[in-house]
Amino acid sequence: QLQLQESGPGLVKPSETLSLTCTVSGGSISSSSYYWGWIRQPPGKGLEWIGSIYYSGSTYYNPSLKSRVTISVDTSKNQFSLKLSSVTAADTAVYYCARLPTLEQYNWFDPWGQGTLVTVSS
Amino acid sequence: AIRMTQSPSSFSASTGDRVTITCRASQGISSYLAWYQQKPGKAPKLLIYAASTLQSGVPSRFSGSGSGTDFTLTISCLQSEDFATYYCQQYYSYPALTFGGGTKVEIK
Repeated sequence: QLQLQESGPGLVKPSETLSLTCTVSGGSISSSSYYWGWIRQPPGKGLEWIGSIYYSGSTYYNPSLKSRVTISVDTSKNQFSLKLSSVTAADTAVYYCARLPTLEQYNWFDPWGQGTLVTVSS
Repeated sequence: AIRMTQSPSSFSASTGDRVTITCRASQGISSYLAWYQQKPGKAPKLLIYAASTLQSGVPSRFSGSGSGTDFTLTISCLQSEDFATYYCQQYYSYPALTFGGGTKVEIK
C-alpha cells in the first residue's frame, strides 16, 4: 500500500525559505504513471495546489506561487521536495504531498500524506 | 485559471438526511471533476472522480453528477461519520489544478 510522509521544520522565519520533503513508501517514485504533488491548506481555509513533479524532474507550478517555488525529486531516496522562498505569515499552512496520475482525465490526488503544519513566525 | 465555487459554504443536517452539495466551474470542464472528504486534522480523502465514479471502498450512499459547469455531490442517507468538509477539484486545465472553497457539513 502506497504511503507518503511529509517531513521538515515546523517553524520558519519570515523572508526565509521553507523546505519540506515527502518520502514515498510501498511504491516507486520512478513510476511512469504518476506525478507527485504538493498542496497546502492555511488554517481554517481551503486547499491550494502548489506544484507537481515527474520522476524525470519535469515540473508544473501554480502560477501564483511560481516565482517562489522549487520542487525537486531524488529517485535514489524515493523522495521529492518543496522549497518556498521569501515566506510570509500568509504561507502558514498545513502542507500535503500526494500522488497524481499522469494520464489525462485521471488527474486527481490519491493518496495523500498526513500533512505537516508549517508556521511562519519570528 | 478555472475558478471552482462551492455552495453552500456550510450547513447543518441530521443523521439520515439526504444532502446535496454544489460545485460550479467558471468555465466548462466536461466531467473532469473529483470530490474529496476531509475530517478535522486529517488529509483529504478521494471520494469520486470523473464527476460520478465512486472510488473503491467509498460507501454507495455517496454519488456525484453533473458535467460542463455544474456538479453535485449527494449523500443519500447521512451517517455520523459523514460530518466533514467536502471539496471539489477540477482537472480539466491539467496541469493547473484548482479546488473549490469547501462545504462543511455540521450536525444539526
